[in-house]
Amino acid sequence: EVQLVESGGGLVQPGGSLRLSCAASGFIFNTYAMSWVRQAPGRGLEWVSSIGGRGDDIKYADSVKGRFTISRDNSMKTQYLQMSGLRVEDTAVYYCVKPPQGWEPTIYYFESWGPGALVTVS
Amino acid sequence: QSALTQPASVSGSPGQSITISCTGTSSDIGDYNYVSWYQQHPGKAPKFIIYDVDNRPSGVPARFSGSKSGNMASLTISGLQAEDEAIYFCCSYTSRSTVIFGGGTTVTVL
Repeated sequence: EVQLVESGGGLVQPGGSLRLSCAASGFIFNTYAMSWVRQAPGRGLEWVSSIGGRGDDIKYADSVKGRFTISRDNSMKTQYLQMSGLRVEDTAVYYCVKPPQGWEPTIYYFESWGPGALVTVS
Repeated sequence: QSALTQPASVSGSPGQSITISCTGTSSDIGDYNYVSWYQQHPGKAPKFIIYDVDNRPSGVPARFSGSKSGNMASLTISGLQAEDEAIYFCCSYTSRSTVIFGGGTTVTVL
């Protein structure tokens, strides 16, 4: 069974930094591109960033480019999101997501979602 | 890049059919068939229910169907059931190699 579990959320002041982690299990982690999607309170979904299975092919939304850094450690089956220069508008639940089987290297679809980590910038 | 455009809310009675529209541009929905839909119940993570415009992942009921014409995608729920009351988000790959979501549509079962 696929499991994605985020950690590292919390309360941070504007301008501060935070690192989210996502521990994965139940699939061959290093073959899948992984992504982060966020949802501000009462708002819609926003794709944040994606990283290829080998740690290459990194992409960011314009809203976080230059402030957030995505990375992964395939030996630990974990992906990370280093967030710096945090703004009030970054307040959201951050979801770790993976593509369906058969779509491993792509970021078109998000079949599996973690429960999310709440980041509050205030 | 602005979010895809969805109606804020749609409602229907049990057994009826409803359709949710999702309008994009020639740089996303109009250029790719990588259109998907997600269902989200309150306090839960989204659930993947449609991919490739009109395909359903295993386990998703057949009453959910998708379509696309030009820059607009649609999700139809046929035979609406009480458990279908949720927020629905469309999603598309883009020409910038990024992903964009719609603002979400709240479906209410009357």
